[in-house]
Amino acid sequence: GENVEQHPSTLSVQEGDSAVIKCTYSDSASNYFPWYKQELGKRPQLIIDIRSNVGEKKDQRIAVTLNKTAKHFSLHITETQPEDSAVYFCAASKGDSSYKLIFGSGTRLLVRP
Amino acid sequence: DAGVIQSPRHEVTEMGQEVTLRCKPISGHNSLFWYRQTMMRGLELLIYFNNNVPIDDSGMPEDRFSAKMPNASFSTLKIQPSEPRDSAVYFCASSLALLLRQGDTGELFFGEGSRLTVL
Repeated sequence: GENVEQHPSTLSVQEGDSAVIKCTYSDSASNYFPWYKQELGKRPQLIIDIRSNVGEKKDQRIAVTLNKTAKHFSLHITETQPEDSAVYFCAASKGDSSYKLIFGSGTRLLVRP
Repeated sequence: DAGVIQSPRHEVTEMGQEVTLRCKPISGHNSLFWYRQTMMRGLELLIYFNNNVPIDDSGMPEDRFSAKMPNASFSTLKIQPSEPRDSAVYFCASSLALLLRQGDTGELFFGEGSRLTVL
């Protein structure tokens, strides 16, 4: 079935450094790729998303890139801050143009002050 | 709007007992999703509804799991009988629709989750 793989599972960076999280997906029909941030004990919340007609999208310190040919997409966080520490999930739509999401396994990001 | 509301927030029960988790989606949202989160398996999609109708329950792990949506503002996920391996956080989420339209934010709004522990 559809699958989303996410790497790394844990990532520790120094405050101010960049963090990169990578995902691959298997469903060729997927065309919507959101990223969710989940703080400890809280609900997942959308931080940025990208659609297949776009290769890159930026929102302040966060950017996402998409390579549809290779079925890869990545999250880039620049100038990391301690409050960026959380678990980040990538997801891919199950089929096209859908809110039905298949999530990656998550990346626990720790930003060391 | 108060967002997606789930209850109970925490439930501890014994193996074999029936568990019912409840969810109130955001008013005006037409689609509702139940996810299960564990350390081992991450966020798994169990079942989703569109306009109160179950669309795909292929993620429901076993017949012990069932879900209903009797109206647009209420859904339940039931486990009967419960087992220790059902211990997880169960999230309900809602969205405007099932298909992402041009201009939609695409956001899936999650509730706070129900943490289930089966002893």
